[in-house]
Amino acid sequence: EAGVVQSPRYKIIEKKQPVAFWCNPISGHNTLYWYRQNLGQGPELLIRYENEEAVDDSQLPKDRFSAERLKGVDSTLKIQPAELGDSAVYLCASSFTRRDGYTFGSGTRLTVV
Amino acid sequence: AQTVTQSQPEMSVQEAETVTLSCTYDTSESDYYLFWYKQPPSRQMILVIRQEAYKQQNATENRFSVNFQKAAKSFSLKISDSQLGDAAMYFCAYRIHTGANSKLTFGKGITLSVRP
Repeated sequence: EAGVVQSPRYKIIEKKQPVAFWCNPISGHNTLYWYRQNLGQGPELLIRYENEEAVDDSQLPKDRFSAERLKGVDSTLKIQPAELGDSAVYLCASSFTRRDGYTFGSGTRLTVV
Repeated sequence: AQTVTQSQPEMSVQEAETVTLSCTYDTSESDYYLFWYKQPPSRQMILVIRQEAYKQQNATENRFSVNFQKAAKSFSLKISDSQLGDAAMYFCAYRIHTGANSKLTFGKGITLSVRP
């Protein structure tokens, strides 16, 4: 079984530029999460999808961040415009049941210069 | 609000020895899950062990076991016969039981190094 796939692995951009991250969850996992992990910290939830619906986006900075999950499978997280403080690892995860821990992807390390 | 605290930023253990990583949490819920995740340099978060709060028996997975003290809200991870591959960051995490797929709340993590 393929795991959660994320791309790109690394991204370096100048501030004020846009950037997008892509996530393909495990087949059959209806719930998808985007987490942000700052250096030396634990991950923090940005947004949670159940199928196509964003059911928890309370921590998503909506002035510059947006996300979509078309057809309830792949998801894209976008930042426009990026700021220096957005430098972090962006992790995608998926789950099937509440008993299971999530399955995480390897993340995208974003550096804003 | 639920919080997870890992007060030790770093620990070191000799290969083949035993090490215990500490975690405390705060919640008003009575039914929840606790997890330990391992994050190697590859960045992928790997589930190490899971504990359901309603179970009194401590979870074990091969060389990994937990000491779950519900009244004290403590959830420590013991790694026996430490191996070089155990070197990584370890995160304690919490999730409430009710509400399908509710979010994980993580601690700040602890960096474990293993000395050969």
